[in-house]
Amino acid sequence: GQQLNQSPQSMFIQEGEDVSMNCTSSSIFNTWLWYKQDPGEGPVLLIALYKAGELTSNGRLTAQFGITRKDSFLNISASIPSDVGIYFCAGNAGGTSYGKLTFGQGTILTVHP
Amino acid sequence: DTGVSQDPRHKITKRGQNVTFRCDPISEHNRLYWYRQTLGQGPEFLTYFQNEAQLEKSRLLSDRFSAERPKGSFSTLEIQRTEQGDSAMYLCASSLAGGGYGYTFGSGTRLTVV
Repeated sequence: GQQLNQSPQSMFIQEGEDVSMNCTSSSIFNTWLWYKQDPGEGPVLLIALYKAGELTSNGRLTAQFGITRKDSFLNISASIPSDVGIYFCAGNAGGTSYGKLTFGQGTILTVHP
Repeated sequence: DTGVSQDPRHKITKRGQNVTFRCDPISEHNRLYWYRQTLGQGPEFLTYFQNEAQLEKSRLLSDRFSAERPKGSFSTLEIQRTEQGDSAMYLCASSLAGGGYGYTFGSGTRLTVV
């Protein structure tokens, strides 16, 4: 089945540093999304990308939909302690998979003050 | 609008027992999804509904799992004859059809099978 490989698995950074994480797939996705999950809570949508090559920002977050439609990255600039959490990429392949998201394994982000 | 509500938040059950979880979506959302998340992994798709119709079901959803959304509003997920491998967080999400993939997730039900 479809799988998303997300890297890195974890990151330990100092407050104020920039962060970059990415997601790759062996198959094409029509939509890429990035979510953040806090402990004991459900994922919260950060950014949605709908077109190959699209670059979208949401405050300090920037995400891009890869040209090949098989990858995406998320950047966080000037990290702050509340950025701590698990970040997931997710994709939808469209067609008969309409409605279903495939998630990556997550990147655990720790920010030291 | 209080978001997506899931009940209970935590459930501990003995192996072999049946359990049922409830999800109340955002009221105007006509799509409802169930996902399962185990420790250290991303959520895995189980099934989704548009109104009361169950439109897609994952191969992960064995015969012991059943989901319903009888009136197109709240949904229930039942697991019969629970096994230790069923221990996971069960997440519900809702969205508007045609609204892209901006799901709103609930806080989940954490199931522990002992």
